Amino acid sequence: DIVMTQSPDSLSVSLGERATINCKSSQSILYSSNNKNYLAWYQQKPGQPPNLLIYWASTRQSGVPDRFSGSGSGTDFTLTISSLQAEDVAIYYCQHYYGTPPWTFGQGTKVEIK
Amino acid sequence: EVQLVESGGGLVQPGGSLRVSCAASGFNFSSYKMTWVRQAPGKGLEWVSYISSSADTIYYADSVKGRFTVSRDNAKNSLYLQMHSLTAEDTAVYYCARDKGLRAYSGSSCFDYWGQGTQVTVSS
Repeated sequence: DIVMTQSPDSLSVSLGERATINCKSSQSILYSSNNKNYLAWYQQKPGQPPNLLIYWASTRQSGVPDRFSGSGSGTDFTLTISSLQAEDVAIYYCQHYYGTPPWTFGQGTKVEIK
Repeated sequence: EVQLVESGGGLVQPGGSLRVSCAASGFNFSSYKMTWVRQAPGKGLEWVSYISSSADTIYYADSVKGRFTVSRDNAKNSLYLQMHSLTAEDTAVYYCARDKGLRAYSGSSCFDYWGQGTQVTVSS
């Protein structure tokens, strides 16, 4: 099974500052035939279901503000919030969808306002 | 508007059974792969089960294999998860989620719509 490990577990960022979350997979999730990384990012606010932010590691889902961006390839990925807003307080999860199941999630990273 | 509405959760005793359902609307349900994801209290997300659009391919997490059965009724736009031999470790909010359809053939991709979830509590 592919293990997804996020870092840090939590971070505090001032309003308007950059927030960076890392996600590492235990094996490459880059599919060579199409050069796509099978990785998604989700945001989950308290009491709500997760919301898809990013897929293919760097493609923003429709309606997601452009302050959210994804990068990385192979085994190392990053979600960046370029200018943290109050409404971005949430837990963020990465998830791989490479190969066969289980299609696992990272343990989550809690983002708070400093 | 895409909507997924789970139901059927509740309190069940250890060793008991429960069936949760997910009613879909606002999209062509029969064309989409679907997934169940659960979240234990205060914990992260756990992928549970996948079913292809025609139900010809089904997968389970090892933690539920042999105890849970996923099914769908495309005529009723509904997804189901039958759960048996429940233990305290199955206590969670169960979400149904629509697959975004990034993979043309077999297998899951990511999930672009989620229901609000249904709470399943296993306790005596």
